Amino acid sequence: EPEVTQTPSHQVTQMGQEVILRCVPISNHLYFYWYRQILGQKVEFLVSFYNNEISEKSEIFDDQFSVERPDGSNFTLKIRSTKLEDSAMYFCASSDGQGIGYTFGSGTRLTVV
Amino acid sequence: GQNIDQPTEMTATEGAIVQINCTYQTSGFNGLFWYQQHAGEAPTFLSYNVLDGLEEKGRFSSFLSRSKGYSYLLLKELQMKDSASYLCAVRDAPGATNKLIFGTGTLLAVQP
Repeated sequence: EPEVTQTPSHQVTQMGQEVILRCVPISNHLYFYWYRQILGQKVEFLVSFYNNEISEKSEIFDDQFSVERPDGSNFTLKIRSTKLEDSAMYFCASSDGQGIGYTFGSGTRLTVV
Repeated sequence: GQNIDQPTEMTATEGAIVQINCTYQTSGFNGLFWYQQHAGEAPTFLSYNVLDGLEEKGRFSSFLSRSKGYSYLLLKELQMKDSASYLCAVRDAPGATNKLIFGTGTLLAVQP
């Protein structure tokens, strides 16, 4: 079964450092997303990406965040200057042309110290 | 605003049936998803409803009433491995976004 792949699975970084989280969505999917889940809380939408541009972003997705699809397969989330409150599990997801078939990756656990 | 409500926790017995309810109030609606999430892992797709009625898939069924803003997930013949969080998520209005709005999840404990 096709899957969304995320790397790394764990990342520990110092406050103020930049991190890049990487994702390989399902190959024939058209919509790409980043979500995050702070420990013990609900899954929250960060950003959606379609046709090589951001289609929507939440209020969480401020100027410290950016996304990129540098080639035909990778989809990245960059946090420019991490804060303690950025510590969370970050999930990449992709969906098909109807926005169904919504599949999540296994996540990157980001710990900011 | 966007609001999705689920019970926080439920307990059920192995072999039994459990129903997890979800009510929603969202500005747009283009389908409702149920996901299973084990601790520290990714949400795994269980079901999708966009029209009113019941969708059945093996031991899992999901029901939707759009007029009531209500859905439930029914799990039959419970197994210990079904102990997990169950997440209700509403897909926002159609368009280029397709974002999902999640409830807080229902933590189900299956006891022997």
